[in-house]
Amino acid sequence: NAGVTQTPKFQVLKTGQSMTLQCAQDMNHEYMSWYRQDPGMGLRLIHYSVGAGITDQGEVPNGYNVSRSTTEDFPLRLLSAAPSQTSVYFCASWRRYNSPLHFGNGTRLTVT
Amino acid sequence: AQRVTQPEKLLSVFKGAPVELKCNYSYSGSPELFWYVQYSRQRLQLLLRHISRESIKGFTADLNKGETSFHLKKPFAQEEDSAMYYCALSPYSGNTPLVFGKGTRLSVIA
Repeated sequence: NAGVTQTPKFQVLKTGQSMTLQCAQDMNHEYMSWYRQDPGMGLRLIHYSVGAGITDQGEVPNGYNVSRSTTEDFPLRLLSAAPSQTSVYFCASWRRYNSPLHFGNGTRLTVT
Repeated sequence: AQRVTQPEKLLSVFKGAPVELKCNYSYSGSPELFWYVQYSRQRLQLLLRHISRESIKGFTADLNKGETSFHLKKPFAQEEDSAMYYCALSPYSGNTPLVFGKGTRLSVIA
């Protein structure tokens, strides 16, 4: 099993550009989420999904969109990148409400 | 609201010394608590969870409901323990993901 796969690993964007961070899991987990990791801030929840077609906002959702058309995929879209979105982004999935999270390897995004 | 506090950003210890990484939580119910570890530029990995009461890589953590704490301990630190450690809480019910603390960077000095 691949687990949780994130692409790309690295990305550099100019301010105002848009892009999609991809996340796929092969564990048939209903729940998926996106976190951003910043120095001194820990992991902050951006958006999450409890199943195909169902998404909800986390702590820092502004500037990001998500959709969940299949159980396997949970892409994160940056509509108009800003330097404040420079971060490492982690996708995670889990089986049920109190199960441990399985994380991807992360995407390191720089916005100039 | 659920909250996880890790008071130390950085903890430096000598090899062979005991380690205690502090975690306090705020939650009115009975939470499920976890410790995750992140080695340099790698993904976060589950280290242990309180319900399993396991000892992983020599680390243990005991849930103290009276003090609302879940401190991570190891009697003798090793250089390979140097990493970022995150304490996390999951509400016992509901669909929301884990709530993480801000993390503590452990540096083990040879």
